[in-house]
Amino acid sequence: AQSVAQPEDQVNVAEGNPLTVKCTYSVSGNPYLFWYVQYPNRGLQFLLKYITGDNLVKGSYGFEAEFNKSQTSFHLKKPSALVSDSALYFCAVRAAFLTGGGNKLTFGTGTQLKVEL
Amino acid sequence: DTGVSQNPRHKITKRGQNVTFRCDPISEHNRLYWYRQTLGQGPEFLTYFQNEAQLEKSRLLSDRFSAERPKGSFSTLEIQRTEQGDSAMYLCASSPVEMGMAQHFGDGTRLSIL
Repeated sequence: AQSVAQPEDQVNVAEGNPLTVKCTYSVSGNPYLFWYVQYPNRGLQFLLKYITGDNLVKGSYGFEAEFNKSQTSFHLKKPSALVSDSALYFCAVRAAFLTGGGNKLTFGTGTQLKVEL
Repeated sequence: DTGVSQNPRHKITKRGQNVTFRCDPISEHNRLYWYRQTLGQGPEFLTYFQNEAQLEKSRLLSDRFSAERPKGSFSTLEIQRTEQGDSAMYLCASSPVEMGMAQHFGDGTRLSIL
């Protein structure tokens, strides 16, 4: 079974400061990892993914994430937070190779990011 | 690319009624997924299609739930004899068939059971 843990329900950061949203995962074999953002009453917007290659991946809106295989982590980062980054962030995982095919994602419970002036 | 479209955006119904939701995926995407999201939780997988074939169903999908994608384009999710516990946001996503491609989500249908 695959699972994702987002240990912080909420992260508060001042505008202009760096932000980190934490994610750890459990999956059989190599993982595909994803970050999504959700604004109120909206669906999930894709931010970035790790499939293979460089451990540091860059995505939309200045976000990046670092894959750490030994720590089974995929933390989301941004060098300088904006008030408009305030939203709910989800980490998701699937195994790179699934018997029977498919692309089912398993999501964490989400982390509410609040960026204040 | 017009994105994934879901209708209706909101549905309020009485317990015991049947409801049907529609999802129109991104046109070139072969795969279509349904998820359910309750308050304070991440989305939970319900089922997915590759073209018109339903390839996987979650144990969350009771006998009261049925999904179809008859021509490999839009999909419908029907819930029969709705219960209070069915109140949730129902999200549809689509993706290309290639490995590792991201799923793109619609804005969901919020179901409220009175």
